[in-house]
Amino acid sequence: GEDVEQSLFLSVREGDSSVINCTYTDSSSTYLYWYKQEPGAGLQLLTYIFSNMDMKQDQRLTVLLNKKDKHLSLRIADTQTGDSAIYFCAESIPSSYKLIFGSGTRLLVRP
Amino acid sequence: NAGVTQTPKFQVLKTGQSMTLQCAQDMNHEYMSWYRQDPGMGLRLIHYSVGAGITDQGEVPNGYNVSRSTTEDFPLRLLSAAPSQTSVYFCASSLGTSGTGELFFGEGSRLTVL
Repeated sequence: GEDVEQSLFLSVREGDSSVINCTYTDSSSTYLYWYKQEPGAGLQLLTYIFSNMDMKQDQRLTVLLNKKDKHLSLRIADTQTGDSAIYFCAESIPSSYKLIFGSGTRLLVRP
Repeated sequence: NAGVTQTPKFQVLKTGQSMTLQCAQDMNHEYMSWYRQDPGMGLRLIHYSVGAGITDQGEVPNGYNVSRSTTEDFPLRLLSAAPSQTSVYFCASSLGTSGTGELFFGEGSRLTVL
């Protein structure tokens, strides 16, 4: 079945690294995504990784994919207060016409 | 550069009332969809469309109707609102028709059904 799970909450101090984890169940996923939702706003694509990649780096963001364990993580280096938001992991299933979203991880960055 | 525009942003309904949530995009995207966001449950797909004149059901379609008469617009209708439909609704679009590429989201419509 299709299921994406994330921890609900993460609190870090400003300047530290944040690591948000996600597990998914469908091994046919082609792309895995990280979306960011700021308060009162819609979701915005943060980054994504193709399923045949292990790692992708984009400035302060590092995405790690362990396809064997169906585990995805998002690392944010030098976390800033502006990074406080809800982060959603999502997987794409071929021919499903939809993304499967996790329940979101609320990141709180303390000054 | 409007992107995806949803109206209204907030709405309070009584049980049994009907209403339409509007969604418009100006990016000439083929794919449009409606998701609902509930606490602890992530986003769940209600209905989607891969082009004008074509709509299909998602995971949680009961109680909702959609139509796609133009590429730009994809309204979501609640015919007889129920308290279980209290949620935040997001319209999203993407360039391709698969619905699995980058989704562009509206700012959301918060609906409360009393």
